[in-house]
Amino acid sequence: KQEVTQIPAALSVPEGENLVLNCSFTDSAIYNLQWFRQDPGKGLTSLLLIQSSQREQTSGRLNASLDKSSGRSTLYIAASQPGDSATYLCAVGGGGADGLTFGKGTHLIIQP
Amino acid sequence: NAGVTQTPKFQVLKTGQSMTLQCAQDMNHNSMYWYRQDPGMGLRLIYYSASEGTTDKGEVPNGYNVSRLNKREFSLRLESAAPSQTSVYFCASTLTQGNNEQFFGPGTRLTVL
Repeated sequence: KQEVTQIPAALSVPEGENLVLNCSFTDSAIYNLQWFRQDPGKGLTSLLLIQSSQREQTSGRLNASLDKSSGRSTLYIAASQPGDSATYLCAVGGGGADGLTFGKGTHLIIQP
Repeated sequence: NAGVTQTPKFQVLKTGQSMTLQCAQDMNHNSMYWYRQDPGMGLRLIYYSASEGTTDKGEVPNGYNVSRLNKREFSLRLESAAPSQTSVYFCASTLTQGNNEQFFGPGTRLTVL
């Protein structure tokens, strides 16, 4: 059974810092990996989708990498802002229609 | 495009009551999903529908039923609610199975007393 782990569980940094969130998964036979953002009391907003054949994806100040063989992904946030404060979720897809397997998230606080 | 919509946003039930959570998407997606999110547990898949006319169990299906009413709508029913079903429920959709991005609704916060 696929298991997804996110480290750290919580992170607090001053505004302006670059930071890295980590995600690991136990079964490397994935088809894709998706990073989400969740604000308190809200739904999930998709940030980046990486296909299994890709090594990284970029969107603005966000860069996600994927190393399938080692079962790891990182989300890099450049020049962090208070508006980046949220919970970030990593999820892997097995290729079928049977949904995503989620990590428990990293709760990020950017201090003004 | 409204994306994925869910109703209601909040609901309080007493143990043993029944209710149906509604979900609709306007992106012409084929596959739809129901997840629940609990503190310390992350999101877990309840049921999914790979395409119109098909439904399958996910990781935690006990106590739930689903109906894929048409391509747009996928409902989740609790026949006899239990306190253990207190959770936030999310509906999601994707174009088709495989390497496609999933899009989520805003969630339904359910409390069972």
